Amino acid sequence: ELKVEQNPLFLSMQEGKNYTIYCNYSTTSDRLYWYRQDPGKSLESLFVLLSNGAVKQEGRLMASLDTKARLSTLHITAAVHDLSATYFCAVITGNQFYFGTGTSLTVIP
Amino acid sequence: NAGVTQTPKFQVLKTGQSMTLQCAQDMNHNSMYWYRQDPGMGLRLIYYSASEGTTDKGEVPNGYNVSRLNKREFSLRLESAAPSQTSVYFCASRPGRGYYQPQHFGDGTRLSIL
Repeated sequence: ELKVEQNPLFLSMQEGKNYTIYCNYSTTSDRLYWYRQDPGKSLESLFVLLSNGAVKQEGRLMASLDTKARLSTLHITAAVHDLSATYFCAVITGNQFYFGTGTSLTVIP
Repeated sequence: NAGVTQTPKFQVLKTGQSMTLQCAQDMNHNSMYWYRQDPGMGLRLIYYSASEGTTDKGEVPNGYNVSRLNKREFSLRLESAAPSQTSVYFCASRPGRGYYQPQHFGDGTRLSIL
């Protein structure tokens, strides 16, 4: 059974600080997805990482993928309140997606 | 564009009642999915349809059935609702196998079973 683990599960950080969310997965996959979910809302796609060494950046968020280590990171630079949300990583095998349990991020002024 | 549309948005059922959750997409996607989301457990796949005419079980299929009515529509049925099925249900779609694009999600159905 494919497992996807995220840590931390909860993250409270001050505005302006940097932090990294980690996503480990248990089987070979060369594609990894990051999603954002605001409270009571649906999931929104952030990044699609397609190969080993892939790096994508959008604003204060940067995602990377190391397929050999089966690890993806989501780095937050100089956090702002608008980034408060839950972040999910997901890997795909065949046509099935497997999601991590999510990281609930709260940015404190 | 509407994207992925789910109905209803909210529903309260009594134990033992049945209901069907509807999902439709207007993006000409081949693959469609049903997930449930429970606190602290992320999203868990119930059933998916890789293409029109096919359906497959996901991680937690017990107590559910699905129908891929046509390319646009994928419904989820609870035959005899149980309190353990209280959850938020999301439908998603994507172009299909072999494509890298992410899933597009509907707004969810919040279902309570009393």
